[in-house]
Amino acid sequence: EIVMTQSPATLSVSPGERATLSCRASQSVSSNLAWYQQKPGQAPRLLIYGASTRATGIPARFSGSGSGTEFTLTISSLQSEDSAVYHCQQYNNLPYTFGQGTKLEIK
Amino acid sequence: QVQLQESGPGLVKPSGTLSLTCAVSGGSINYENWWSWVRQPPGEGLEWIGEIFDGGSTNYNPSLKSRVTMSVDKSKNQFSLKLTSVTAADTAVYYCARETVGKTSGGEYWYFDLWGRGTPVTVSS
Repeated sequence: EIVMTQSPATLSVSPGERATLSCRASQSVSSNLAWYQQKPGQAPRLLIYGASTRATGIPARFSGSGSGTEFTLTISSLQSEDSAVYHCQQYNNLPYTFGQGTKLEIK
Repeated sequence: QVQLQESGPGLVKPSGTLSLTCAVSGGSINYENWWSWVRQPPGEGLEWIGEIFDGGSTNYNPSLKSRVTMSVDKSKNQFSLKLTSVTAADTAVYYCARETVGKTSGGEYWYFDLWGRGTPVTVSS
């Protein structure tokens, strides 16, 4: 199976600054990569699919990039409500696999 | 709008069978989507369990394949998960989710666009 590795495990950033989250696949997943945001006690929420396409209703401060094995989720101008765990997930090969998550803390 | 709601016992005994149902409201189970189960052990990441299509076709995670069965009941607009021979390692929040394909200039991409709220299941005697 494809192993997804996210870094860092925890990221602490001040409001208004930029956060950069990384996701690496153990083999190419083309652009079949999605990002999800999960707040405590809630289900994951789709942010990005196709590596770089924002889902409906997602603010423009969220952007995704990359292809193959290296992917990045960038959140510009952080807001307090962005505090959450962010998961990447590949949809290229069965079984679908997720990264272990990056916890984003707002200072 | 379409909503998903998981239901089932919150406590299952070791070596028993975990049975969950996901009810689809505001829409119908149809040929346009696959329907999945995903779980999240306490403090851990997400694990995909498997998926089922409208006609009953399934794909399971090889790590669970020998213990998993999924089914669809279109008359009730719901799909189900059975996991046999459970152990404490199966303790998790279980989510049902809808898979949808999105079309972009770069191609078509699948993703989980709709999730249930999740139901916690504990395996303990």
